[in-house]
This record gives sequence, structure tokens and C-alpha cells, in this order.
Amino acid sequence: DAEITQSPRHKITETGRQVTLACHQTWNHNNMFWYRQDLGHGLRLIHYSYGVQDTNKGEVSDGYSVSRSNTEDLPLTLESAASSQTSVYFCASSDSVGGNYNEQFFGPGTRLTVL
Amino acid sequence: GQQLNQSPQSMFIQEGEDVSMNCTSSSIFNTWLWYKQDPGEGPVLLIALYKAGELTSNGRLTAQFGITRKDSFLNISASIPSDVGIYFCAGQFNYQLIWGAGTKLIIKP
Repeated sequence: DAEITQSPRHKITETGRQVTLACHQTWNHNNMFWYRQDLGHGLRLIHYSYGVQDTNKGEVSDGYSVSRSNTEDLPLTLESAASSQTSVYFCASSDSVGGNYNEQFFGPGTRLTVL
Repeated sequence: GQQLNQSPQSMFIQEGEDVSMNCTSSSIFNTWLWYKQDPGEGPVLLIALYKAGELTSNGRLTAQFGITRKDSFLNISASIPSDVGIYFCAGQFNYQLIWGAGTKLIIKP
């Protein structure tokens, strides 16, 4: 069955370190998204990609970067982790067929703690 | 940026009761969505609404797309224990989603 996975599921790191969160989907979806979830804010978009070599900044992109070298993967990198980046991170993917909404399928999330 | 106001923030209800929650926006959306998130998991789509005034059901869930395209509500009838979780509304802008802050549903034993 097609799926979307994230790794690691839990990560503790120190301020200033570089951290990379992995996202892998086997749906063959063109669109991939990274969100962070914090209490009282719902999900906020960090970066998104509409296809290989395409990346775009979302609402809260400062301090984060992504690259899309193939269809299946969109790794999220925190260049220099800060305590404000302690959060739960979700990756999602969707198809890009025209017309009505293309459902976003979410991974299980990565809980990141920055000490 | 665009924001969705979702209310209530949390609800404590008895099993069997009906539940109602809503979202409002300062912006018009062409699509409204309702997702549910169980603890330790990512959100899962419950209902998608595509036309102003549209009323759509999914089992015990009913959602409506407001006439002004700036609001939506979700009703859950006869709640059961597995309904607990966080419910999110979202409006679609291009392929992106703008999310409400969520309504946490807790069922009193």
C-alpha cells in the first residue's frame, strides 16, 4: 500500500545544531508540504514543493530549508536549531490533478525538541 | 496572512450528545475541508466542501459550506468514544491549506 513516512519520530537536539527531518512518500504525488504544529496555532506551512527541483516558502519558513531531488522525498533541514523550533512537524503530499481539492495525506509526525 | 477562526477551542460532552463547531475567515475560499487528528497521528480528511451552500454528510458527520464562502460548520451526531480528537477546518488556496487552530473534543465518561 502507498504511504507517507517520516523519520525520526522523535528527536532531541541542542541549540545551534543542524537537523534534518526525512519525509518519504510512495504515492507518486507531485506536491509535498511541511507543516509545524504548535498549541493554539493549528498547522502552519513551512515549505512546499510542486515537483522535482521546485521549492517554495510558506508562512513560517525562516530557519528552515528543503530540497526536492526526486518525487518521493522532501527532507526538511533546520540550519541552526533554535528553542523556538521545538514543535511537532508533519509532512504531507497530494496529487496535482486539476479540478476539485486534491486530498493531502499526512505522515505520522516528528516531535522535535531543541534544548 | 490569511487566518481562520475556529471555535470552540475545546468541548467536553457526554457520549450520545450532538456536537457542533465552526470556522470563519476574513477571506473567501473555494474549498472548505474538515480534518480529524487522533493523538500521535497526522490529520485525516473527513469532509471536503466545494460549493457555497453545499451540505455534505459522512456517516454521523455533516458539514456545510457557508453561502458567503467565508465560513463552515461541522456537526457530529450521537457522539461515541472514538470521536475524541482534534478537529481542524481548513480553507484551500491554490494547492495550499490555511488551517484553523483546532477544536479538541473530549467525551466525559
